[in-house]
Amino acid sequence: GAVVSQHPSWVICKSGTSVKIECRSLDFQATTMFWYRQFPKQSLMLMATSNEGSKATYEQGVEKDKFLINHASLTLSTLTVTSAHPEDSSFYICSASSRQHNEQFFGPGTRLTVL
Amino acid sequence: QKEVEQDPGPLSVPEGAIVSLNCTYSNSAFQYFMWYRQYSRKGPELLMYTYSSGNKEDGRFTAQVDKSSKYISLFIRDSQPSDSATYLCAMISGAGSYQLTFGKGTKLSVIP
Repeated sequence: GAVVSQHPSWVICKSGTSVKIECRSLDFQATTMFWYRQFPKQSLMLMATSNEGSKATYEQGVEKDKFLINHASLTLSTLTVTSAHPEDSSFYICSASSRQHNEQFFGPGTRLTVL
Repeated sequence: QKEVEQDPGPLSVPEGAIVSLNCTYSNSAFQYFMWYRQYSRKGPELLMYTYSSGNKEDGRFTAQVDKSSKYISLFIRDSQPSDSATYLCAMISGAGSYQLTFGKGTKLSVIP
């Protein structure tokens, strides 16, 4: 299967700072990337969907000004958590899909801890 | 009522047991059904992918879909300690739609 990486795998930051998480498709061109958030013992909740070169589509209840998504190329999408607060602490997972692959491939996730 | 219901467990079974994991859903538009396995602090990985009602087998895993009852199952035969993980069901509403709706996940422990 196709490989998706995320960086960093774990980040700890102070409240009020911004954190950038990268999602890369390593061996295929991802026309669509998805960002999920997973709280402990909870399911993956879709935050936003992004297509290369266009603005992300955010799910209801997700603040687009707080969670900035950039999908600048077919292999890279970034999620920036601006002015992070302790309640933003969660496991953030990206996935990527393409026209040739009829499924989403998930990254390993990034654990964000905001102190 | 949530679109996808899944008992979070935890579920503990002895090694070699048959495991049955289940999800129910309410949205008749769901057409594609997946089962993902997620190890602790890792991203989910796709195990099985089914479309039509009936059974699909892959090694020790069998996925079952009953669209009339809006009920899907994953069976694991001869369970192994390495099967210990959280299993999530997921669904897509239609062709060309990549948006997945996940169940909460069932945490499985297979005891040696």
